Amino acid sequence: GAGVSQSPSNKVTEKGKDVELRCDPISGHTALYWYRQRLGQGLEFLIYFQGNSAPDKSGLPSDRFSAERTGGSVSTLTIQRTQQEDSAVYLCASSLGQEHNEQFFGPGTRLTVL
Amino acid sequence: AQSVTQPDIHITVSEGASLELRCNYSYGATPYLFWYVQSPGQGLQLLLKYFSGDTLVQGIKGFEAEFKRSQSSFNLRKPSVHWSDAAEYFCAVGLWAGSYQLTFGKGTKLSVIP
Repeated sequence: GAGVSQSPSNKVTEKGKDVELRCDPISGHTALYWYRQRLGQGLEFLIYFQGNSAPDKSGLPSDRFSAERTGGSVSTLTIQRTQQEDSAVYLCASSLGQEHNEQFFGPGTRLTVL
Repeated sequence: AQSVTQPDIHITVSEGASLELRCNYSYGATPYLFWYVQSPGQGLQLLLKYFSGDTLVQGIKGFEAEFKRSQSSFNLRKPSVHWSDAAEYFCAVGLWAGSYQLTFGKGTKLSVIP
């Protein structure tokens, strides 16, 4: 597709379960970002990929959160042992990876932890 | 600490009226500045951006923003609001810190009265 896609669009899970969120960036975009948007809040940075490596993981809130990127394309954000405070919209963005380049955002995955 | 402030949580304007959304930032240097719009169920769309040069920048959908270094502000304006402009607006700043992660304000929700 032409834009950033994310799946699933909605995910409801029980506390303690693991979840995987997927992001397909725009083809050719080397930089990929994950953000979290809690209700009524702005976006919080989680992690940045340049190619398959993650030079900036400073926003990951705990060791329950991890992410990987393969083939310089698809990325998966994994949350282990989910907690209710993990409920949020998780947004992925991609860019050409150079200074000044616009980040293009996907529609997000709404995660609800019961 | 670095921060982005959008002092207005919710603004209501009549269709055809002018609009100004406020954004202030606190950074040691002049960061890159962005305004994004988020419509319900949609991802974020870039309205405009400032990197350097002319402090009045034009964006899509008839929006413009003015960077004022002395006030650390980057306010968004539109001379005549349309009903379709109802959405949530986010100011964001980018500064290299291991990545070009964006720091977002908490957003301003715009309602438009027909």
